[in-house]
Amino acid sequence: DAGITQSPRYKITETGRQVTLMCHQTWSHSYMFWYRQDLGHGLRLIYYSAAADITDKGEVPDGYVVSRSKTENFPLTLESATRSQTSVYFCASSVSGVANYGYTFGSGTRLTVV
Amino acid sequence: DQQVKQNSPSLSVQEGRISILNCDYTNSMFDYFLWYKKYPAEGPTFLISISSIKDKNEDGRFTVFLNKSAKHLSLHIVPSQPGDSAVYFCAAAPNNAGNMLTFGGGTRLMVKP
Repeated sequence: DAGITQSPRYKITETGRQVTLMCHQTWSHSYMFWYRQDLGHGLRLIYYSAAADITDKGEVPDGYVVSRSKTENFPLTLESATRSQTSVYFCASSVSGVANYGYTFGSGTRLTVV
Repeated sequence: DQQVKQNSPSLSVQEGRISILNCDYTNSMFDYFLWYKKYPAEGPTFLISISSIKDKNEDGRFTVFLNKSAKHLSLHIVPSQPGDSAVYFCAAAPNNAGNMLTFGGGTRLMVKP
């Protein structure tokens, strides 16, 4: 299917476990992003990627790892999950021209760390 | 320190009336401003944008106003419809490579029939 897809939609994991959230886009957009949404904080940028093999930290990168070996995939890994990482995670992509098109977001992954 | 702030966490409006959502920013490097709409269990969707060279942009029922001197923008929805009930995020980006959007905390709009 065309678009940007995230998996899984829901995930419950235990503290200390490693968990990977997947993001796949079919447009060959250069830029991809990971945000987390928390009450009172809105959307905060975790990591972003300008192209394959190019990634950089956002506002809240601690505890997360990303990779981008292929343009269409941008997985986010929590190396050792903590309760504070309970959140809704959104992946987004952008071709360019923030002003005209902004980002296109996936439907999100709701992660609960118990 | 939040660079983009939406000070009203919620807003309730009667159907047919005007909804006004506000957003303030602190970074004078921001040149592009966008509004996103988010329904429950869905990702945010792009609604409307404005660049700093304009003070108004209109798209159907939606109008965004920008006051650069006050570092303030607002989204007007006229007339409001029950389907407009959602969380609205304000976002801003500087005019440079990287397309880095900074989001506000969101305002939940409830339009009552």
